[in-house]
Amino acid sequence: GAVVSQHPSWVICKSGTSVKIECRSLDFQATTMFWYRQFPKQSLMLMATSNEGSKATYEQGVEKDKFLINHASLTLSTLTVTSAHPEDSSFYICSARPSGPHNEQFFGPGTRLTVL
Amino acid sequence: GQQLNQSPQSMFIQEGEDVSMNCTSSSIFNTWLWYKQDPGEGPVLLIALYKAGELTSNGRLTAQFGITRKDSFLNISASIPSDVGIYFCAGGREYGNKLVFGAGTILRVKS
Repeated sequence: GAVVSQHPSWVICKSGTSVKIECRSLDFQATTMFWYRQFPKQSLMLMATSNEGSKATYEQGVEKDKFLINHASLTLSTLTVTSAHPEDSSFYICSARPSGPHNEQFFGPGTRLTVL
Repeated sequence: GQQLNQSPQSMFIQEGEDVSMNCTSSSIFNTWLWYKQDPGEGPVLLIALYKAGELTSNGRLTAQFGITRKDSFLNISASIPSDVGIYFCAGGREYGNKLVFGAGTILRVKS
């Protein structure tokens, strides 16, 4: 149980294009989903917290117009990197927290974004 | 900002040895979680702790929630090659809120 998928697993795009990443909780409902960015050999950096049906809460320093987050259902959140540039190249990971009294987050397999 | 101090930063051990790593904080957490991440993959939840003093096992893994609620440790007994990876601790305060992650412990195992 508690499986989270991400699509695509990797993407290469040209500078200036937009890329959408999907995060789905496959066997549970997730009131809250989180989006992280991870640089090589570093820990997870939280970008934003996404609650179903409401606007995402972005961490300090994360541009909300650059990284658009939509959480339209209890099993799906999307992250769109708009007008991507090479410095946006990174490993993006989502997580989902099941509805209930605990704080566990279950992570997707990640999406490797390379912007040329 | 909130910080978790995770140590050691890396370990290179012989197969069969026991491993111990820990996380400490200057502030209190209500939840401690331990994750393992393999290269190119997302972190996988190993153990979740919710009560001060709680000791929980998952196979060869044992983790404890410190009595002061400011620390936690993870032990791995009789390490095997597939234990290789990065281990992260994470602390949570209020229900549903974001987690604070440690910097990770890189584990390498010599077979």
